[in-house]
Amino acid sequence: GAGVSQTPSNKVTEKGKYVELRCDPISGHTALYWYRQSLGQGPEFLIYFQGTGAADDSGLPNDRFFAVRPEGSVSTLKIQRTERGDSAVYLCASSLSQGPGELFFGEGSRLTVL
Amino acid sequence: QKEVEQNSGPLSVPEGAIASLNCTYSDRGSQSFFWYRQYSGKSPELIMSIYSNGDKEDGRFTAQLNKASQYVSLLIRDSQPSDSATYLCAVTAGGSYIPTFGRGTSLIVHP
Repeated sequence: GAGVSQTPSNKVTEKGKYVELRCDPISGHTALYWYRQSLGQGPEFLIYFQGTGAADDSGLPNDRFFAVRPEGSVSTLKIQRTERGDSAVYLCASSLSQGPGELFFGEGSRLTVL
Repeated sequence: QKEVEQNSGPLSVPEGAIASLNCTYSDRGSQSFFWYRQYSGKSPELIMSIYSNGDKEDGRFTAQLNKASQYVSLLIRDSQPSDSATYLCAVTAGGSYIPTFGRGTSLIVHP
């Protein structure tokens, strides 16, 4: 597709459940990022992939969060044992490696944990 | 801890005026600077990038960078109601590919 695609656009789950959020980046973009954004705040970095490997996962808040990108394209963010504090919009972005910080964002997945 | 600071606003300007948005950053090693626009309920969209001291103009937008003072600003000339959005400043340290975002400044352009 022309842009970054994220699914689902909306996810409501109960505390303690497992969720997966999917991101399909712009074709040819080797860099992929996950951020999360709470109301009134800027995007908060979670993890950065260069190709298939997680080049930097220092933003993952704890071991309940995990992300993969097995073939260097689509990425999945996985959250185990969800907590109410995980409620946020999860943004995926992709970039050409040559443009550090020039990110193209998807429309986000809004996660609500009840 | 790398920090990017922005006044949350809202900044309210009349249509046709110049809107001035400011951002300061804590990491002196920062090399790349970006402004993203985010409409309510939408995702951020890159509008300007700047890498060296001075001004960079693109249409009605001008980005200004002063590394000695560690601030970057965005000027929007001839502001339009359609410019009403939150403007996010993002900064990347030298050698890094990961931008750190500020909390954003809400801009309201009233007719």
